[in-house]
Amino acid sequence: GNSVTQMEGPVTLSEEAFLTINCTYTATGYPSLFWYVQYPGEGLQLLLKATKADDKGSNKGFEATYRKETTSFHLEKGSVQVSDSAVYFCALGPTSGTYKYIFGTGTRLKVLA
Amino acid sequence: GAGVSQSPSNKVTEKGKDVELRCDPISGHTALYWYRQSLGQGLEFLIYFQGNSAPDKSGLPSDRFSAERTGGSVSTLTIQRTQQEDSAVYLCASSSRPSSTDTQYFGPGTRLTVL
Repeated sequence: GNSVTQMEGPVTLSEEAFLTINCTYTATGYPSLFWYVQYPGEGLQLLLKATKADDKGSNKGFEATYRKETTSFHLEKGSVQVSDSAVYFCALGPTSGTYKYIFGTGTRLKVLA
Repeated sequence: GAGVSQSPSNKVTEKGKDVELRCDPISGHTALYWYRQSLGQGLEFLIYFQGNSAPDKSGLPSDRFSAERTGGSVSTLTIQRTQQEDSAVYLCASSSRPSSTDTQYFGPGTRLTVL
């Protein structure tokens, strides 16, 4: 079945460091791919998404590119801030005939000033 | 406008009791999802509603779990004869239409503790 494998955390970085959080997937068909973020004390919210191969999703300085050849959707940011400290979840959208979204286990990011 | 709301925010119950968790989706959203988040785990899909019907119940872990949705709005997740392994955060999400590309809007969750 479909699955998502996400880099384990926690990830600790200094402010202005470069961030990569790896996400790979296994799927039949061509699902949409998502990154959701959960800030401390808040609910999950969409960070960015890509709906087809080679699409790049971007928001708040974060980017991720839908790579079909490597079945990956890695999250990157060039210069992290303390306010980026949160838990990040990679997610796979439903494929044909299903309604199920599949989430990774989440990666906790801590950014130090 | 109001986001997705869930109640109660916290629920502590004794093993063997039944619990009901409520979700109020964003007004007009036809798609509604329930997830379970256990400590250190990702979100586990439980059930999907389109309007009042549930075309995908494949994630419900046992027949102790059931859910309904009425009026195309409020949904209730019921867990009968709770067990300690049911302890988790239960999340509800809604989206405006049943599309695989649509954004899901999440509620704050209900933290369930079974003693």
